Amino acid sequence: DTAVSQTPKYLVTQMGNDKSIKCEQNLGHDTMYWYKQDSKKFLKIMFSYNNKELIINETVPNRFSPKSPDKAHLNLHINSLELGDSAVYFCASSQGREEPQHFGDGTRLSIL
Amino acid sequence: SQQGEEDPQALSIQEGENATMNCSYKTSINNLQWYRQNSGRGLVHLILIRSNEREKHSGRLRVTLDTSKKSSSLLITASRAADTASYFCATVLGNTDKLIFGTGTRLQVFP
Repeated sequence: DTAVSQTPKYLVTQMGNDKSIKCEQNLGHDTMYWYKQDSKKFLKIMFSYNNKELIINETVPNRFSPKSPDKAHLNLHINSLELGDSAVYFCASSQGREEPQHFGDGTRLSIL
Repeated sequence: SQQGEEDPQALSIQEGENATMNCSYKTSINNLQWYRQNSGRGLVHLILIRSNEREKHSGRLRVTLDTSKKSSSLLITASRAADTASYFCATVLGNTDKLIFGTGTRLQVFP
């Protein structure tokens, strides 16, 4: 019954590795997002997809690549992980650009 | 750049007291949203107030919006220990699709 679910919840890995985070929503929303929350709780938009089409691509390293196989899924692949990538990554979805967003519980990424 | 800033950064109160958090933003808006984040969890939408509204209520929550001052406040009445969380305001930046969050207020309610 979880509306927005993301896996894994925790990801601990070595610098230089490649990893993926998966997100699925069962709310029938057209728009999905990826956010990064740093250690000071500051939340910043990274990407947004509307109906599988990329509409927001913030200034993030191109090591980060989102993929939306269908409008219910938005995955995040990260290449060559760096220490500064350590953060909590949240997936969210909404019905429109100014509608309330529904968040997953986050993936805590720790780089060793 | 950040769209919203909140104060106080942290607030500690006793159960039963009221908690007020303030949010200031920079550009014109169509609406302003408030979210709550419990420790280790995702954000949960609390309330949305449109630019033509001045006040909105939802249960123990009361939100005000002053577009002339570009500010909003969230009042939680008769607080409970379960209200302990971080609270964020958020607005859409200009004509973009970006929802920009404020810096957040950490609320601690002691039983």
